[in-house]
Amino acid sequence: QKEVEQNSGPLSVPEGAIASLNCTYSDRVSQSFFWYRQYSGKSPELIMSIYSNGDKEDGRFTAQLNKASQYVSLLIRDSQPSDSATYLCAVGGGGGNKLTFGTGTQLKVEL
Amino acid sequence: DGGITQSPKYLFRKEGQNVTLSCEQNLNHDAMYWYRQDPGQGLRLIYYSQIVNDFQKGDIAEGYSVSREKKESFPLTVTSAQKNPTAFYLCASTPPGQGVGNEKLFFGSGTQLSVL
Repeated sequence: QKEVEQNSGPLSVPEGAIASLNCTYSDRVSQSFFWYRQYSGKSPELIMSIYSNGDKEDGRFTAQLNKASQYVSLLIRDSQPSDSATYLCAVGGGGGNKLTFGTGTQLKVEL
Repeated sequence: DGGITQSPKYLFRKEGQNVTLSCEQNLNHDAMYWYRQDPGQGLRLIYYSQIVNDFQKGDIAEGYSVSREKKESFPLTVTSAQKNPTAFYLCASTPPGQGVGNEKLFFGSGTQLSVL
C-alpha cells in the first residue's frame, strides 16, 4: 500500500523565520508531488507542484524533491502569521490519476 | 467563474437515514473524486469517476454510493450502512488527460456532515 508520511506537528516558528516541512513516500515509481495548504474548516489549496529532482521556487515557497531518498520538502521563507495552516503533502504518478495524501503538518507562525 | 460547487455546507444525518451530498463542476473536467477527512487526518479516497457512467471504489467505499449521469455532476450518498459518517467531505476534479501532473486536484469548499 502506498504511504505518505508527515510529522503532524504542530511546528512553531517565529514570524520572519524559515519554516521547513517534510514528507516521505513509499512508492518508488511516484512521479508527481504536490503541497496543499488547508486552513481550518476550509478545503485544500494547491500551493506547489514538483516533478523533477531539485528545487522549485515560487515566491516565498520552495519545494525540494529527492527521488533517491523518496523525500519531498516545502520551505516557507519570511513566515507570516497568515501562513499558519495545515500543509498536506500529496504524491501521485504511481498508476492512474489518483493522489495519496499524508496526514498533514500543522504550522503555527508566532508573533 | 469556473469552479466546483458543493452543497450543502453543513448537513445533519439522523440514525438510519441516507443523505446525499451534491457536487457540481463547470470546469469541463472529466475526472471527479470524493474524499473524506477526519479531524487531524489526511484525505482518504471514497470513490472516483474518470468518465460519465463509470466510477470506481477508492480506499474507503463501504457505506457510500455514487452516480455519474452527467459530466458536471458527481453526487455522493452516505447510506445508513456507514456507521461513522461524521467527517468533512471534499469533492474534487482533475483536468483532462493522463500522465504526470494531471493528478492535480481542484477542490470544492466541502460539506461537514454530522450525526444527530
